Amino acid sequence: EVQLVESGGGLVQPGGSLRLSCAASGFTFNNHGMYWVRQAPGKGLEHVSGITSNGDGTSYANSVKGRFTISRDNSENMLYLQMGSLRTEDMAVYYCARVGATREFDYWGQGTLVTVSS
Amino acid sequence: ETVLAQSPATLSLSPGERATLSCRASQSVSRYLAWYQQRPGQAPRLLIYDASNRATGIPARFTGSGSGTDFTLTISSLEPEDFAVYYCQQRSDWPPTFGPGTKVDIK
Repeated sequence: EVQLVESGGGLVQPGGSLRLSCAASGFTFNNHGMYWVRQAPGKGLEHVSGITSNGDGTSYANSVKGRFTISRDNSENMLYLQMGSLRTEDMAVYYCARVGATREFDYWGQGTLVTVSS
Repeated sequence: ETVLAQSPATLSLSPGERATLSCRASQSVSRYLAWYQQRPGQAPRLLIYDASNRATGIPARFTGSGSGTDFTLTISSLEPEDFAVYYCQQRSDWPPTFGPGTKVDIK
């Protein structure tokens, strides 16, 4: 069974940093690209960042470029999102999602909440 | 960036009724469109990919259609668990973008 379990969310002050983790199991992790998608309270879904299966390619939404860094450890089946210079508008539930065979997001984690507030 | 518009914003129906949800793209996305269901407090779940292919385990009452800029998700007969928010998403160009969602609620 495919499982994606996020962790690392919490309360952080504006300008602060946080690292999110996503533990993957039940599939061959290094065969799949991975994404972070976020959802602000009461809002829709927004792509944040993606990474290729071997980690040699990354992409970022303009809203987070230069502040967030996506990475992965295929030996540990882990996906990460290092978030810096956090803003109130970054407050959201952050989901990790697996990229399927035809590049849809075929499995999602349960999400981790990031709250940015002083 | 390809912008997706969904209509209606809210659809109020009764169990057993047919639901028809629309997604319109600002430019052609060919058939590279997916639909997701999100129940309250849960993560999104993939329903349909490449416009008309049901994902693993998705019941046959969910049908996707369309190509180019106009797409439809049809739920033939609403079950109680189908009352949720539905999002379309395109992968034709980067970045992948989502529509704002259609909420299907109980009339």
